[in-house]
Amino acid sequence: SAVISQKPSRDICQRGTSLTIQCQVDSQVTMMFWYRQQPGQSLTLIATANQGSEATYESGFVIDKFPISRPNLTFSTLTVSNMSPEDSSIYLCSVGMDRGGEKLFFGSGTQLSVL
Amino acid sequence: AQTVTQSQPEMSVQEAETVTLSCTYDTSESDYYLFWYKQPPSRQMILVIRQEAYKQQNATENRFSVNFQKAAKSFSLKISDSQLGDAAMYFCAYRTGIQGAQKLVFGQGTRLTINP
Repeated sequence: SAVISQKPSRDICQRGTSLTIQCQVDSQVTMMFWYRQQPGQSLTLIATANQGSEATYESGFVIDKFPISRPNLTFSTLTVSNMSPEDSSIYLCSVGMDRGGEKLFFGSGTQLSVL
Repeated sequence: AQTVTQSQPEMSVQEAETVTLSCTYDTSESDYYLFWYKQPPSRQMILVIRQEAYKQQNATENRFSVNFQKAAKSFSLKISDSQLGDAAMYFCAYRTGIQGAQKLVFGQGTRLTINP
């Protein structure tokens, strides 16, 4: 397994501002992912954070709104830009382990509330 | 596109009893993985159990076991001897077997309550 540290744990932000969420893993991993969990909903993949190249975004998510960095194999950041109340969600970082990456492990998430 | 459906928004069970959570999925692939994750109030997503589609034998992890019916595209989770610590949201998830493609598709979740 992997120990995944995600910061901040929670935050309350004003409309129009931006928040950067950090994800640190205790070992090198090939693939890191960012998921969003809207209130009372399931998890939806935002993007795959690729080391050394641009992130790969899922349909409905764009780089201008959710810029992602992946400077090395143990760290990634997700920024939620120009926030609105609709961005209030839990944001979770996850990493793929095992040879084929069959096991995905998750951080404890960031609870974001936008006023 | 693959979809995962959990038809039980909420379930409850008496402590020490057995409960089964349902999950169905839709895919045209023959090689894939299925998972059950548990999300307690701490928000942490915890991997409970994993099933490879090419394996006929149902996966088990201590008190947790699955009933994998590939033809029916059904993947239920059985929790035996339920404990108070089992109370959480449970999510069923699908992952393609294509190597390198690690995106998970999640169901809507089932909230499990354990009655003492």
